[in-house]
Amino acid sequence: GAGVSQSPSNKVTEKGKDVELRCDPISGHTALYWYRQSLGQGLEFLIYFQGNSAPDKSGLPSDRFSAERTGGSVSTLTIQRTQQEDSAVYLCASSYHSRPQGGYFGPGTRLTVL
Amino acid sequence: DAKTTQPPSMDCAEGRAANLPCNHSTISGNEYVYWYRQIHSQGPQYIIHGLKNNETNEMASLIITEDRKSSTLILPHATLRDTAVYYCIVRPGGGNQFYFGTGTSLTVIP
Repeated sequence: GAGVSQSPSNKVTEKGKDVELRCDPISGHTALYWYRQSLGQGLEFLIYFQGNSAPDKSGLPSDRFSAERTGGSVSTLTIQRTQQEDSAVYLCASSYHSRPQGGYFGPGTRLTVL
Repeated sequence: DAKTTQPPSMDCAEGRAANLPCNHSTISGNEYVYWYRQIHSQGPQYIIHGLKNNETNEMASLIITEDRKSSTLILPHATLRDTAVYYCIVRPGGGNQFYFGTGTSLTVIP
């Protein structure tokens, strides 16, 4: 498939544990975004990567959240010492930087913190 | 700061046109208006975008007012599969972030 893929699709963890969420963007897309969507809420911007530029981390809710993008492709969102309020669907999207076309979204990872 | 205002919910009869409004009174001259939709439990899907001219594609039409302070997404013949949350987004200048508001929950009624 040529779309954005994310893994795992579902993750259940205990409060206090660390989790890693993975995003494989569309090949050739230079921009990559992470969002989260809590139950019944709109999408909340987390972080944005563009090429080799420093990422825009302005949406990360706390220092327990971090993300990296290796080789300009795969990205990993890490949540340390998870809390129950971290439970949400985490969505990844990618796009070409040079075009105003909207981003293509992955199916998301549903994170449940018990 | 989502920069857009949409009604929280709307209903539309199947087969009728669905007109979804959006206010973006603080939009800047170089900012595009984007529309996405999110069907339950799926990732958001791109629908259409525009700068100042009206746009049409196979999914929808986008009407942007001359002052660009508001726009309307039109689904010409709504089907039950169009039931979704529709997000109107203004892309901030200088970056590629898309800030989503809470959107309009459209229900297409048989």
